[in-house]
Amino acid sequence: ETGVTQTPRHLVMGMTNKKSLKCEQHLGHNAMYWYKQSAKKPLELMFVYSLEERVENNSVPSRFSPECPNSSHLFLHLHTLQPEDSALYLCASSQELVSGTNTGELFFGEGSRLTVL
Amino acid sequence: GNSVTQMEGPVTLSEEAFLTINCTYTATGYPSLFWYVQYPGEGLQLLLKATKADDKGSNKGFEATYRKETTSFHLEKGSVQVSDSAVYFCALSDPWNQGGKLIFGQGTELSVKP
Repeated sequence: ETGVTQTPRHLVMGMTNKKSLKCEQHLGHNAMYWYKQSAKKPLELMFVYSLEERVENNSVPSRFSPECPNSSHLFLHLHTLQPEDSALYLCASSQELVSGTNTGELFFGEGSRLTVL
Repeated sequence: GNSVTQMEGPVTLSEEAFLTINCTYTATGYPSLFWYVQYPGEGLQLLLKATKADDKGSNKGFEATYRKETTSFHLEKGSVQVSDSAVYFCALSDPWNQGGKLIFGQGTELSVKP
């Protein structure tokens, strides 16, 4: 148990559906992240939030829309996805924003396995 | 740009064998280096880290030494167990980036047979 909970663990959706992934952290951290994990590829950083403000948007298609209503919750809203978006989506948090001036550890959730038909 | 390259997997070993998983990096300046591990069905968790050249990170019998001259951070363990079967990710934190970016390699799957 890492203190970061993701729901749902598995999601199957059609290309015209709208769904959301939810992440909740119980660690009192100030920064939260969405990563995409695809087979045989490096983890891709999608979005970073610090104190509920987005600080990084890594050229992610607009069909992915993040929301951070407070420092404990992070959502990823999905609409009109493509089959190539099928992947494991990982949420993570850290005490403060990871940078070169700190060696902050990321705490990951177990991920939401997304399949787009 | 900054990047991390790991050896291709899967790596298959017998129990008690010696493990090395290679990791090399490209970065401007002096990044911090990490190894994360992902057990089946779980998220990633930090295994060890090193923050400056010649530092050795260690945890659970695993070790990695920050080698600036070869830009490497190879993961080693003297005697692996079946329970070490997992995917291992090498990562670095960009020394000049204040935007929360931890850069990961593609992961190396380790399978340990009894």
